[in-house]
Amino acid sequence: QVQLVQSGAEVKKPGSSVKVSCKASGGTLSTYAISWVRQAPAGQGLEWMGGIIPVLGTIKYAQKFQGRVTLTADGSASTAYMDLSSLRSEDTAVYYCARGRYFDWSLKTWGQGTLVTVSS
Amino acid sequence: DIQMNQSPSSLSASVGDRVTITCQASHDINNYLNWYQQKPGKAPNLLIYDASNLETGVPLRFSGSGSGTEFTFTISSLQPEDIATYYCLQYDNLPSTFGQGTKLEI
Repeated sequence: QVQLVQSGAEVKKPGSSVKVSCKASGGTLSTYAISWVRQAPAGQGLEWMGGIIPVLGTIKYAQKFQGRVTLTADGSASTAYMDLSSLRSEDTAVYYCARGRYFDWSLKTWGQGTLVTVSS
Repeated sequence: DIQMNQSPSSLSASVGDRVTITCQASHDINNYLNWYQQKPGKAPNLLIYDASNLETGVPLRFSGSGSGTEFTFTISSLQPEDIATYYCLQYDNLPSTFGQGTKLEI
Protein backbone atom coordinates (compact mmCIF):
# COMPACT_ATOMS: atom_id res chain seq x y z
CA GLN A 1 0.00 0.00 0.00
CA VAL A 2 1.36 3.36 -1.04
CA GLN A 3 1.52 5.79 1.88
CA LEU A 4 2.03 9.54 1.60
CA VAL A 5 4.66 11.55 3.48
CA GLN A 6 4.45 15.34 3.39
CA SER A 7 7.06 18.03 3.95
CA GLY A 8 7.37 19.93 7.21
CA ALA A 9 5.62 22.98 8.60
CA GLU A 10 6.21 26.37 7.00
CA VAL A 11 5.92 29.98 8.15
CA LYS A 12 5.47 32.49 5.34
CA LYS A 13 5.01 36.24 4.92
CA PRO A 14 1.88 37.64 3.28
CA GLY A 15 2.35 37.91 -0.47
CA SER A 16 4.91 35.12 -0.67
CA SER A 17 4.53 31.55 -1.95
CA VAL A 18 4.76 28.12 -0.38
CA LYS A 19 5.51 24.75 -1.95
CA VAL A 20 4.41 21.60 -0.12
CA SER A 21 5.60 18.16 -1.19
CA CYS A 22 3.89 14.78 -0.94
CA LYS A 23 6.16 11.78 -1.38
CA ALA A 24 5.06 8.22 -2.04
CA SER A 25 6.33 5.62 0.41
CA GLY A 26 6.23 2.01 -0.72
CA GLY A 27 5.56 2.71 -4.37
CA THR A 28 4.86 5.52 -6.81
CA LEU A 29 2.03 7.92 -7.43
CA SER A 30 1.79 6.99 -11.09
CA THR A 31 -1.39 4.93 -10.83
CA TYR A 32 -3.29 7.33 -8.61
CA ALA A 33 -5.13 10.61 -8.61
CA ILE A 34 -3.61 12.92 -6.00
CA SER A 35 -5.77 15.59 -4.42
CA TRP A 36 -4.90 18.50 -2.18
CA VAL A 37 -7.25 19.42 0.66
CA ARG A 38 -6.86 22.13 3.27
CA GLN A 39 -8.31 22.65 6.72
CA ALA A 40 -8.31 26.00 8.50
CA PRO A 41 -7.20 26.07 12.16
CA ALA A 42 -9.21 24.76 15.12
CA GLY A 43 -10.52 21.82 13.11
CA GLN A 44 -12.65 23.80 10.72
CA GLY A 45 -14.07 22.23 7.58
CA LEU A 46 -12.24 20.46 4.77
CA GLU A 47 -11.79 22.13 1.38
CA TRP A 48 -10.73 20.43 -1.85
CA MET A 49 -8.23 22.61 -3.72
CA GLY A 50 -7.40 20.54 -6.77
CA GLY A 51 -5.91 17.31 -8.01
CA ILE A 52 -3.46 15.76 -10.40
CA ILE A 53 -3.15 12.40 -12.16
CA PRO A 54 0.56 12.39 -13.10
CA VAL A 55 0.55 9.52 -15.60
CA LEU A 56 -2.36 11.05 -17.55
CA GLY A 57 -1.20 14.64 -17.27
CA THR A 58 -4.61 15.56 -15.84
CA ILE A 59 -4.78 18.57 -13.53
CA LYS A 60 -7.96 19.99 -12.01
CA TYR A 61 -8.34 23.09 -9.83
CA ALA A 62 -11.21 24.34 -7.72
CA GLN A 63 -12.43 27.66 -9.07
CA LYS A 64 -11.62 29.36 -5.76
CA PHE A 65 -7.91 28.62 -6.12
CA GLN A 66 -7.57 28.93 -9.90
CA GLY A 67 -4.62 31.17 -10.73
CA ARG A 68 -3.05 30.90 -7.28
CA VAL A 69 -2.35 27.19 -6.97
CA THR A 70 -0.13 25.04 -9.17
CA LEU A 71 -0.03 21.25 -8.89
CA THR A 72 2.87 19.29 -10.29
CA ALA A 73 4.60 15.93 -9.96
CA ASP A 74 8.17 14.91 -10.62
CA GLY A 75 9.11 12.83 -13.66
CA SER A 76 9.28 9.59 -11.72
CA ALA A 77 5.86 10.29 -10.18
CA SER A 78 7.24 9.61 -6.72
CA THR A 79 6.49 13.09 -5.39
CA ALA A 80 3.64 15.54 -5.95
CA TYR A 81 3.80 19.25 -5.17
CA MET A 82 1.33 21.98 -4.33
CA ASP A 83 2.49 25.56 -4.89
CA LEU A 84 0.26 28.33 -3.46
CA SER A 85 1.12 31.93 -4.26
CA SER A 86 0.07 35.39 -3.08
CA LEU A 87 -0.39 34.08 0.42
CA ARG A 88 -2.68 35.87 2.85
CA SER A 89 -3.53 35.27 6.49
CA GLU A 90 -6.65 33.33 5.50
CA ASP A 91 -4.40 30.71 3.88
CA THR A 92 -3.15 29.66 7.31
CA ALA A 93 -4.22 26.02 7.42
CA VAL A 94 -3.15 22.40 7.45
CA TYR A 95 -2.66 21.20 3.88
CA TYR A 96 -3.17 17.52 3.09
CA CYS A 97 -2.44 15.42 0.05
CA ALA A 98 -4.56 12.34 -0.48
CA ARG A 99 -4.67 9.62 -3.11
CA GLY A 100 -7.60 7.91 -4.73
CA ARG A 101 -8.10 4.19 -5.18
CA TYR A 102 -6.69 4.55 -8.66
CA PHE A 103 -7.57 7.29 -11.17
CA ASP A 104 -10.46 8.52 -9.07
CA TRP A 105 -10.86 11.39 -6.62
CA SER A 106 -12.02 9.26 -3.71
CA LEU A 107 -9.34 10.28 -1.14
CA LYS A 108 -8.57 6.80 0.18
CA THR A 109 -5.19 7.45 1.84
CA TRP A 110 -4.00 10.76 3.29
CA GLY A 111 -0.66 12.30 4.10
CA GLN A 112 -0.02 13.46 7.64
CA GLY A 113 -0.67 17.12 6.82
CA THR A 114 1.53 20.22 6.60
CA LEU A 115 0.80 23.31 8.67
CA VAL A 116 1.33 26.52 6.73
CA THR A 117 1.22 29.69 8.81
CA VAL A 118 0.99 33.04 7.05
CA SER A 119 2.01 35.88 9.31
CA SER A 120 3.84 39.17 9.05
CA ASP B 1 -20.64 23.01 -7.16
CA ILE B 2 -22.52 20.26 -5.38
CA GLN B 3 -23.53 21.27 -1.86
CA MET B 4 -23.36 18.67 0.91
CA ASN B 5 -25.67 19.35 3.83
CA GLN B 6 -24.53 17.27 6.81
CA SER B 7 -26.47 16.99 10.04
CA PRO B 8 -26.33 17.27 12.93
CA SER B 9 -23.31 19.54 13.42
CA SER B 10 -22.75 18.08 16.87
CA LEU B 11 -24.04 15.09 18.75
CA SER B 12 -23.79 13.88 22.32
CA ALA B 13 -24.36 10.18 22.96
CA SER B 14 -23.57 7.45 25.45
CA VAL B 15 -21.41 4.35 25.12
CA GLY B 16 -23.48 1.64 23.47
CA ASP B 17 -25.84 4.07 21.72
CA ARG B 18 -26.74 3.83 18.07
CA VAL B 19 -25.60 7.01 16.30
CA THR B 20 -26.80 8.27 12.92
CA ILE B 21 -25.45 11.09 10.75
CA THR B 22 -26.96 12.18 7.45
CA CYS B 23 -25.67 13.92 4.35
CA GLN B 24 -27.90 15.38 1.68
CA ALA B 25 -26.43 16.28 -1.69
CA SER B 26 -27.80 19.10 -3.86
CA HIS B 27 -27.68 16.79 -6.89
CA ASP B 28 -27.56 13.06 -7.56
CA ILE B 29 -23.99 11.93 -6.86
CA ASN B 30 -24.26 8.34 -8.12
CA ASN B 31 -23.23 6.93 -4.74
CA TYR B 32 -19.77 8.49 -4.96
CA LEU B 33 -19.98 9.31 -1.27
CA ASN B 34 -17.37 8.57 1.39
CA TRP B 35 -17.42 8.89 5.18
CA TYR B 36 -14.34 9.88 7.21
CA GLN B 37 -13.40 10.01 10.85
CA GLN B 38 -11.01 12.72 12.01
CA LYS B 39 -9.43 12.90 15.45
CA PRO B 40 -7.71 16.10 16.71
CA GLY B 41 -4.34 16.70 15.11
CA LYS B 42 -4.75 13.80 12.67
CA ALA B 43 -5.64 13.42 9.02
CA PRO B 44 -9.11 12.15 8.12
CA ASN B 45 -9.42 8.37 8.00
CA LEU B 46 -11.63 6.65 5.42
CA LEU B 47 -14.33 4.47 6.98
CA ILE B 48 -16.96 3.97 4.25
CA TYR B 49 -16.52 4.34 0.49
CA ASP B 50 -19.06 4.50 -2.31
CA ALA B 51 -21.89 5.03 0.18
CA SER B 52 -21.99 1.57 1.76
CA ASN B 53 -18.66 -0.25 1.47
CA LEU B 54 -16.65 -0.76 4.63
CA GLU B 55 -12.97 0.09 4.19
CA THR B 56 -10.55 -2.73 5.06
CA GLY B 57 -9.75 -2.86 8.76
CA VAL B 58 -12.65 -0.69 9.86
CA PRO B 59 -14.80 -2.17 12.66
CA LEU B 60 -18.15 -3.66 11.69
CA ARG B 61 -20.07 -1.28 13.96
CA PHE B 62 -19.61 1.38 11.26
CA SER B 63 -21.93 1.30 8.26
CA GLY B 64 -23.26 3.49 5.48
CA SER B 65 -26.38 3.49 3.34
CA GLY B 66 -28.30 5.61 0.90
CA SER B 67 -28.37 6.54 -2.76
CA GLY B 68 -28.97 9.45 -5.07
CA THR B 69 -28.95 12.49 -2.80
CA GLU B 70 -29.65 11.05 0.68
CA PHE B 71 -27.01 9.19 2.66
CA THR B 72 -26.73 7.88 6.21
CA PHE B 73 -23.78 6.91 8.36
CA THR B 74 -24.37 4.73 11.43
CA ILE B 75 -22.37 3.57 14.41
CA SER B 76 -24.32 0.63 15.79
CA SER B 77 -22.86 0.67 19.29
CA LEU B 78 -20.81 3.74 20.21
CA GLN B 79 -17.40 3.11 21.76
CA PRO B 80 -15.23 5.63 23.66
CA GLU B 81 -12.63 5.58 20.89
CA ASP B 82 -15.25 6.80 18.40
CA ILE B 83 -15.03 10.34 19.77
CA ALA B 84 -14.11 12.35 16.70
CA THR B 85 -15.48 14.56 13.97
CA TYR B 86 -17.10 12.80 11.02
CA TYR B 87 -17.29 14.14 7.45
CA CYS B 88 -18.98 13.06 4.26
CA LEU B 89 -17.37 13.69 0.88
CA GLN B 90 -18.89 13.61 -2.60
CA TYR B 91 -16.47 13.00 -5.46
CA ASP B 92 -18.92 12.48 -8.30
CA ASN B 93 -18.42 16.02 -9.58
CA LEU B 94 -15.39 18.26 -9.24
CA PRO B 95 -14.75 20.19 -7.14
CA SER B 96 -15.19 17.42 -4.61
CA THR B 97 -17.08 18.81 -1.65
CA PHE B 98 -17.34 17.89 2.01
CA GLY B 99 -20.14 18.10 4.51
CA GLN B 100 -19.68 20.60 7.34
CA GLY B 101 -18.76 17.85 9.81
CA THR B 102 -20.41 16.26 12.85
CA LYS B 103 -18.59 16.51 16.16
CA LEU B 104 -19.40 13.47 18.25
CA GLU B 105 -19.11 13.63 22.02
CA ILE B 106 -19.79 11.16 24.78
